[in-house]
Amino acid sequence: GAVVSQHPSWVICKSGTSVKIECRSLDFQATTMFWYRQFPKQSLMLMATSNEGSKATYEQGVEKDKFLINHASLTLSTLTVTSAHPEDSSFYICSARLAGGPYLPTDTQYFGPGTRLTVL
Amino acid sequence: GNSVTQMEGPVTLSEEAFLTINCTYTATGYPSLFWYVQYPGEGLQLLLKATKADDKGSNKGFEATYRKETTSFHLEKGSVQVSDSAVYFCALSYTSGTYKYIFGTGTRLKVLA
Repeated sequence: GAVVSQHPSWVICKSGTSVKIECRSLDFQATTMFWYRQFPKQSLMLMATSNEGSKATYEQGVEKDKFLINHASLTLSTLTVTSAHPEDSSFYICSARLAGGPYLPTDTQYFGPGTRLTVL
Repeated sequence: GNSVTQMEGPVTLSEEAFLTINCTYTATGYPSLFWYVQYPGEGLQLLLKATKADDKGSNKGFEATYRKETTSFHLEKGSVQVSDSAVYFCALSYTSGTYKYIFGTGTRLKVLA
């Protein structure tokens, strides 16, 4: 249980285009999903927290107009990188926190496999 | 504020050697503590967790004990394998208005045959 998928697993795009990354919890409902960015050989940087049906909460220094987050349902959140530039190239990882239930703990985040974005 | 400090890597060991990766934390309240593992090109996988003092998390031969007195959650394994080569992240979760994770910087482990 507690499987999170991301799509696509990698994407290459031209500078100035927009890219959408999907994050899905496959076998559980997630009240909250998180988007992280990871630079090579570094730790994860939390970009934003997304709650189903409400606006995302962005961390300081993250441009909300550039990184659009939509959490349309308890199993799907999307991150759209608008007008992408080479400096946006990175590994983007989402995670989901369980909505609650008797079998999986609510304080644990389950991570997707990541999406590698390369902007040319 | 809350923080997690991990030993710097890389750590290079021979197969069947004993592994310790140190992790200490600073937190108010009672955080949950986690170890995640990341294999090359992949996302993070939960390795083990502990939710209160003196809890021991264990999985796949790895263990870590939640030590409140030393604010530590060191990861150990008695006999590492080449397949354990990965990056290991220590993390804590806390709630202060919102729920968040804080990650350590990660420790790269390389196991040689």
